[in-house]
Amino acid sequence: LAKTTQPISMDSYEGQEVNITCSHNNIATNDYITWYQQFPSQGPRFIIQGYKTKVTNEVASLFIPADRKSSTLSLPRVSLSDTAVYYCLVGDWYEDSNYQLIWGAGTKLIIKP
Amino acid sequence: DSGVTQTPKHLITATGQRVTLRCSPRSGDLSVYWYQQSLDQGLQFLIQYYNGEERAKGNILERFSAQQFPDLHSELNLSSLELGDSALYFCASQDNSREGYNEQFFGPGTRLTVL
Repeated sequence: LAKTTQPISMDSYEGQEVNITCSHNNIATNDYITWYQQFPSQGPRFIIQGYKTKVTNEVASLFIPADRKSSTLSLPRVSLSDTAVYYCLVGDWYEDSNYQLIWGAGTKLIIKP
Repeated sequence: DSGVTQTPKHLITATGQRVTLRCSPRSGDLSVYWYQQSLDQGLQFLIQYYNGEERAKGNILERFSAQQFPDLHSELNLSSLELGDSALYFCASQDNSREGYNEQFFGPGTRLTVL
């Protein structure tokens, strides 16, 4: 089973770009990499998902190298409201497969003014 | 609002008791996931149901059980409660109609306190 490892915490400042890396050495061929954001006492919220190379949406980018053993969530020009815990998730759901969802322990990101 | 509802919002009970947590997924979502999150801890995946059948199992204790009903709502039953079971319990639902698309929609959670 894949295991995910993320930094426990990170600090940055408003307006900066923040990169959070997750390692997943045993990622399976069919696994996708997904990132979630969680605020205190709320359920996690989907940010972005990718399989390989680079994916970008309106809030973040996700960089995945060719070997797929790690992924980097990039948050451009962060604000105070980006202070949250960020989780990476490795796994896949396909109707006929059995799989295990592997969540990282989360990275607590603190944005300072 | 994710469209996933959970009841109750808070639950306070005593050790040794049994409780039932309820989850209603988003309209049309066939998958329901249950998670446990202890104070300042990460998410622990407990169990997943898809269209009424158990699909995947995580770190779920034998004292815990779950089921998904024909109308797709799900219940998580926790019995012989211990102090360490105090946590936030989240339910999430997922569409699953798109292969490889892993967006789960989380409910607001049930905060369980065992005294």
